[in-house]
Formats: sequence, structure tokens, C-alpha cells
Amino acid sequence: KAGVTQTPRYLIKTRGQQVTLSCSPISGHRSVSWYQQTPGQGLQFLFEYFSETQRNKGNFPGRFSGRQFSNSRSEMNVSTLELGDSALYLCASSLSGTDEKLFFGSGTQLSVL
Amino acid sequence: GESVGLHLPTLSVQEGDNSIINCAYSNSASDYFIWYKQESGKGPQFIIDIRSNMDKRQGQRVTVLLNKTVKHLSLQIAATQPGDSAVYFCAETLGGYQKVTFGIGTKLQVIP
Repeated sequence: KAGVTQTPRYLIKTRGQQVTLSCSPISGHRSVSWYQQTPGQGLQFLFEYFSETQRNKGNFPGRFSGRQFSNSRSEMNVSTLELGDSALYLCASSLSGTDEKLFFGSGTQLSVL
Repeated sequence: GESVGLHLPTLSVQEGDNSIINCAYSNSASDYFIWYKQESGKGPQFIIDIRSNMDKRQGQRVTVLLNKTVKHLSLQIAATQPGDSAVYFCAETLGGYQKVTFGIGTKLQVIP
């Protein structure tokens, strides 16, 4: 069974631009969650989707948004990029998204210049 | 202002010895706990989990201990191997959807 796939692997953008990251969960997994990982803040929860609905959201500004498609694939978007958005963005999937282990992708490393 | 990075605790262990990684979790109501291992350039990988109605759970070479009284979680790795070198995160979930709170992590260095 293929693991969680995130694309692209690396991304370089400039301040003010926007970016879209993609995540394909493990087949059969309906919950997809996103995390931001930085040396300064560690791993922080962004949001979680199940059956195309956002069920939970972390403490991030509205510039961070996401969506999930009917095939459970998910995208997250960051608009008006700031230098502080440079981070590793991790996607994780699970069967139902309730008290169960997460399967993580390798992440997208975003650098904002 | 200048941002200050998290100071990642580091544990150095001789190959073959046992390792104990500790974690203090934040919410006394959390009911599900997981340990993840993250190797360089990869996403976190599940190691072992435990629910709040248990105080100990064993896997292959790993044991997780939960002390709810003091909100403490530990991961014991038996006969530590070079391949165990990684950053280890504890994570807690409060009953429901996957809003998981991660600890800051501990870097485990295995000395051959």
C-alpha cells in the first residue's frame, strides 16, 4: 500500500506570493490533517479534514486555508506569504481521524525569500 | 525581533544500552498518547501508542509508560541500535478529531 504522498518536495517563493501544497492520503484513509514544523515552534496543528469538511482548526491566520476533495486528496494554500511561513509542511492521514495513529508524508519544505 | 529556536533536549546512548525518553504532557484530560520517531528528511513515524485507561504498553523493543498523576509519558527503547538515532516526539489527543499536540521532541544519538 502506498504511503502518504506530498508534492512538491521543495518550494521556493518570495514574500507576497501564494502557494498550494498537495497531499494524497493512504488509500482508504478519509481523514487528512496538516502540520507546520519549524525549529522555533516545533510541530503545530493547522487543520483536519474528513469527507471534504474541515472538522478542526489550529491557531493560524486566515492566510492558511485548505480543502479536501471527494477522493480524500487534500490541498493547503497559503496566501500573501511572509518570511515566517518558511517551514516544513507535513500532511498526515488516518482512517477516521479520531484517536488513532497518524501516517505522515515526507513533507513539503517551503522557503520564503 | 530575533526568533529563538526550541532547545531540543539530546540524549546520547551507547549502542546496546537501554534508552529512556521522557515527556511531560500538557492537558490532564488528554486520553490518547502516541510516540513518533522522525528521521532526518522524513515525516514522523508511529512507534507506539497508549490510551489513558492503561499505564503501560509494550511493543517490539519499546515500552511506553503513562503516569497520569504527574502528566508524564516515557518511552523505553531496549538494546538501542544506531538506526534508533532520530528525534522522538510524544503527542497527546483530547478525545475526538485529530487535533494532536506534539511535544518539542528529544534527539536520540546512538554512539556505536
